[in-house]
Amino acid sequence: DAKTTQPTSMDCAEGRAANLPCNHSTISGNEYVYWYRQIHSQGPQYIIHGLKNNETNEMASLIITEDRKSSTLILPHATLRDTAVYYCIVRVAALSAYGNKLVFGAGTILRVKS
Amino acid sequence: GAVVSQHPSRVICKSGTSVKIECRSLDFQATTMFWYRQFPKQSLMLMATSNEGSKATYEQGVEKDKFLINHASLTLSTLTVTSAHPEDSSFYICSARDSLGELFFGEGSRLTVL
Repeated sequence: DAKTTQPTSMDCAEGRAANLPCNHSTISGNEYVYWYRQIHSQGPQYIIHGLKNNETNEMASLIITEDRKSSTLILPHATLRDTAVYYCIVRVAALSAYGNKLVFGAGTILRVKS
Repeated sequence: GAVVSQHPSRVICKSGTSVKIECRSLDFQATTMFWYRQFPKQSLMLMATSNEGSKATYEQGVEKDKFLINHASLTLSTLTVTSAHPEDSSFYICSARDSLGELFFGEGSRLTVL
């Protein structure tokens, strides 16, 4: 699976949009971009994933550049409970025999402040 | 969404004893489960892949005789830390793969070895 690069930490004001960038310049054509987050002392929580089109769900939006070498996770109205470590991971499609495991990088520590 | 439960959530044991941690998929069958370890302020490190009815596959550097993994049913995998020592103190997290290939994480189990 391709490697990702994320900033170590970011701060965001409560109520504002949090934009978390991720670089994945070596991503392959069959690899998806996945985002998870981990709140302190809890297991990771799935947020969103995409292949090349922008995606949106009730938690966040995912913007993937046209060349797919980078992406941005957007939390539209960050709250204090969004303070967590956010992991950007690229992996092959879930149904692929080789797409089973997730390998985590260092992630971005997002601090939402009031 | 699918639920994965770990038990116990916290355990304290004496050095030299063995500790068993359970990972259960509550509302789906998981042919594959994964075990991760996380030290303070570090990312998740994949330890092993557990397939139902077969031997686990361990990542490089993980001692299979120390971290015994059993996946006897489609809803249960266990991790036994044998002859635990203080350096084994960590946050252990499991994830389970559903029939669509998506991964869901447990809440984690914090092991403290005295």
